[in-house]
Amino acid sequence: DGGITQSPKYLFRKEGQNVTLSCEQNLNHDAMYWYRQDPGQGLRLIYYSQIVNDFQKGDIAEGYSVSREKKESFPLTVTSAQKNPTAFYLCASSMFSGGTTDTQYFGPGTRLTVL
Amino acid sequence: AQTVTQSQPEMSVQEAETVTLSCTYDTSESDYYLFWYKQPPSRQMILVIRQEAYKQQNATENRFSVNFQKAAKSFSLKISDSQLGDAAMYFCAYRRWGYQKVTFGIGTKLQVIP
Repeated sequence: DGGITQSPKYLFRKEGQNVTLSCEQNLNHDAMYWYRQDPGQGLRLIYYSQIVNDFQKGDIAEGYSVSREKKESFPLTVTSAQKNPTAFYLCASSMFSGGTTDTQYFGPGTRLTVL
Repeated sequence: AQTVTQSQPEMSVQEAETVTLSCTYDTSESDYYLFWYKQPPSRQMILVIRQEAYKQQNATENRFSVNFQKAAKSFSLKISDSQLGDAAMYFCAYRRWGYQKVTFGIGTKLQVIP
C-alpha cells in the first residue's frame, strides 16, 4: 500500500542530545514537509523540500536540520539547540508539478518527549 | 501574512444530526486553495475536503460539504448524518497558489453524542 511512514511513534530524548525522526514515502511525491504540533495550536512548518538535495526553512527552523538525499526520505534532526523540543511531529508529502504543489498528505506522526 | 481563524474551540452534535464548523481566513491573493483536515485520536491528519478558490461551486465529499464565500473569506464545513467516527479535531487550512506553505487554524474539537 502506498503511504507515508514515520518512525518511531514515540521517542524520548535526554536534554543535550540530538535525535533523528524518520519519514519515508512510497507515493512518488516530489515534495516533503515537516510540521510541529503543540497543544492548542495548529501545525507549524519546520522545513520543506521540493526536490532531492534541496530544502528550505519554514517558520520555525531554528534548532532543526534536515536532509533530502533520496526522493523517498526526508529525515528531521532535532538538535540540542532546540529549546523546547517536546511536541508532536508530522511529516507530509505532495506532488509538485507545473510550478505548484498538490494537496499534502500526512504520516502518522512521532511524539517526541524530552526528559 | 495569511491567517486562518477557527473561532469554535469545541462543538458537539448528536449522532445522525448535522453540524457546521466555521473558518475564516485573511488573504489579499485571488488564487489559493482551502482545505479541511480531520485529526482523530490516532493523531494522523486526514484530508476531508479541498476547495480551489477559482471554483464557484462548493466542494462535496459524501457527507461532507463546504460553504465557500470568497468575498467574505469564509470557508465552513458541514457534516451531515454525523457518525461516531466523525469525532476528531478539525483543522481549516489555506495555501496560496504556487507556494509551498500551508497555514493552519488552531482547530475545532468535534464531539459526537450517541
